[in-house]
Order: sequence, then structure tokens, then C-alpha cells
Amino acid sequence: QKEVEQNSGPLSVPEGAIASLNCTYSDRVSQSFFWYRQYSGKSPELIMSIYSNGDKEDGRFTAQLNKASQYVSLLIRDSQPSDSATYLCAVGGAGGTSYGKLTFGQGTILTVHP
Amino acid sequence: EAGVTQFPSHSVIEKGQTVTLRCDPISGHDNLYWYRRVMGKEIKFLLHFVKESKQDESGMPNNRFLAERTGGTYSTLKVQPAELEDSGVYFCASSAQGAKNIQYFGAGTRLSVL
Repeated sequence: QKEVEQNSGPLSVPEGAIASLNCTYSDRVSQSFFWYRQYSGKSPELIMSIYSNGDKEDGRFTAQLNKASQYVSLLIRDSQPSDSATYLCAVGGAGGTSYGKLTFGQGTILTVHP
Repeated sequence: EAGVTQFPSHSVIEKGQTVTLRCDPISGHDNLYWYRRVMGKEIKFLLHFVKESKQDESGMPNNRFLAERTGGTYSTLKVQPAELEDSGVYFCASSAQGAKNIQYFGAGTRLSVL
């Protein structure tokens, strides 16, 4: 079992729809969770961080965390063609010397079509 | 404010040669990380510096890889001798002390070993 799993997609949604991206993780003691967006050939760009169970909203983005189910998701409302990118789920190290280590999923390719 | 800068953006070398990658973190960031993405795989952690000290080098694949951060500013990652399986994209990231593991990534160095 991979430590962080995402559906690789591609996920295709029409412009204006809600895109839902999902991620599961295996380490129960993980405390920090991140979503990065990466355009082809560019750097991964942090778009959301979440540390507590529940929802966290920032503009059109909502991150949801359920530690009991070891599940984190990202919702993108009113999807735009400019949202087309690879979305990477990352889980922070549990602590000790590994606190800085991010473990990534393979990424989900999102395509928003006009 | 300048972001994380990596040099070169692309390097093509032959098997057995040596390559040195450089990363300049965001000014003032004590934490510096190296990651690698080989084709078809997820981004994987290599190591973490706090200032000039190695906090976690659990992801370094073998002793052909040497990372340094003299003076706690920029970092270099040397691969000597390079093997075919070292091909991939090497990312550097940095974060501020106490910033809840919020890491900012560079655009990466694409290494091709022929």
C-alpha cells in the first residue's frame, strides 16, 4: 500500500462545475496535510494547508480532513480552464527528525473544459 | 521577494559523470529540502537541512549523492558518479522556522543521464 494515494485521473469537468480531488494516507499519526498545484514544467505551488478535522475554505478552494478515515480532499468550486493542472496531495512527517518530510501522492491531473 | 531558485534548469550528462545541482532558498528560510521525481513516480523526499545541519537524510538513495549547505544559505546536491536511474526532476523547497511545515518549491532541475 502506498503511503499517500490519489486517483491519477485524468479528471475532466466542465467550466463552472465543482472538481473533487481525493487523497488517502496510511500513517495515522500524521498531523499536517497540503494540496499543491503544478502546471507542466513549473514548480509545485501550495494552495491549501489543513491541520484539523473539518473543512477549511479559501476562495474557491475547500480542503476537507477526516483523520479517523485518513482521508483528505480538495474541492474547487466554479472551476475555470486555468485550474487545469496536476494537483498533488502531500502529508507532513509525524514528528521527531522527520517533521519536515513531505510524502506526496502521484497527483491527479485535472482538466477543465470550456 | 525572490522565490526558491534552482540551477541549472536542465542538465544532460553521461553515465559515470558528475553533476552538481544548486538551490537558493527564500531569504531567511532556515529549512531547506531536496526532493526528486523520477518518471512515472511520485515526488520523493531526499533530505532536510536546518541551517547548515542535516536534520533528516533518510531519503538519500545511496552514497553517490552528497548534499551540502555550507553557511546555511544555498545548498548543493552532487551526484557522483551518475547512473541512468538518477534521471528525473530534482526539486528544492524551503520553509521558515516555525511555519507549520509550509514549504515553497523551486521549479526543479531536470537531470537526464544518458
